[in-house]
Amino acid sequence: AQKVTQAQTEISVVEKEDVTLDCVYETRDTTYYLFWYKQPPSGELVFLIRRNSFDEQNEISGRYSWNFQKSTSSFNFTITASQVVDSAVYFCALSEAGNQFYFGTGTSLTVIP
Amino acid sequence: NAGVTQTPKFQVLKTGQSMTLQCAQDMNHEYMSWYRQDPGMGLRLIHYSVGAGITDQGEVPNGYNVSRSTTEDFPLRLLSAAPSQTSVYFCASRTYRARGYTFGSGTRLTVV
Repeated sequence: AQKVTQAQTEISVVEKEDVTLDCVYETRDTTYYLFWYKQPPSGELVFLIRRNSFDEQNEISGRYSWNFQKSTSSFNFTITASQVVDSAVYFCALSEAGNQFYFGTGTSLTVIP
Repeated sequence: NAGVTQTPKFQVLKTGQSMTLQCAQDMNHEYMSWYRQDPGMGLRLIHYSVGAGITDQGEVPNGYNVSRSTTEDFPLRLLSAAPSQTSVYFCASRTYRARGYTFGSGTRLTVV
């Protein structure tokens, strides 16, 4: 079974629209970490955020915000007023005890000017 | 430059050839990992290491070997390349308490 599910394979939005990328995870651990990474067309992987399982506060960083809900095992990512530079593949990831990260299959976001 | 350095960036191999993908980090990170990225599959863990002299298998280890003789280096060896190993390979490192992995820029490998 997938530990991290990103059901949205591809999303297209028009510039300045808001967009939410969904992430659902599965774990039996009580201590775990959730991550979002961005992969722009150039191919590198850029760390965006880490959340630990004990901190359900939503976080906002500029136009980016993250909504962590343990009750639904979700860690969704919202981009407000999207820009063309936001076009990328976004990966959600889960880290349980130990070293292994489990990545979702990614959501490809295209922002149309 | 501080960070994770992967070489080569691109490589074409013939089926049956062997090669080593190099990965080096200069941040004194304990953890290092190798992932492969395939379309529609996300990133899958091949092998990882929690420190020099210690390695373990990830989700898709078959056909690959690793070693960690120093903290800095974590090479990935393809023993006998197969077309199924055509992929983009990422090396990553982090400290024990790091907020996330630092990834290398990737190696695009094609096996023909």
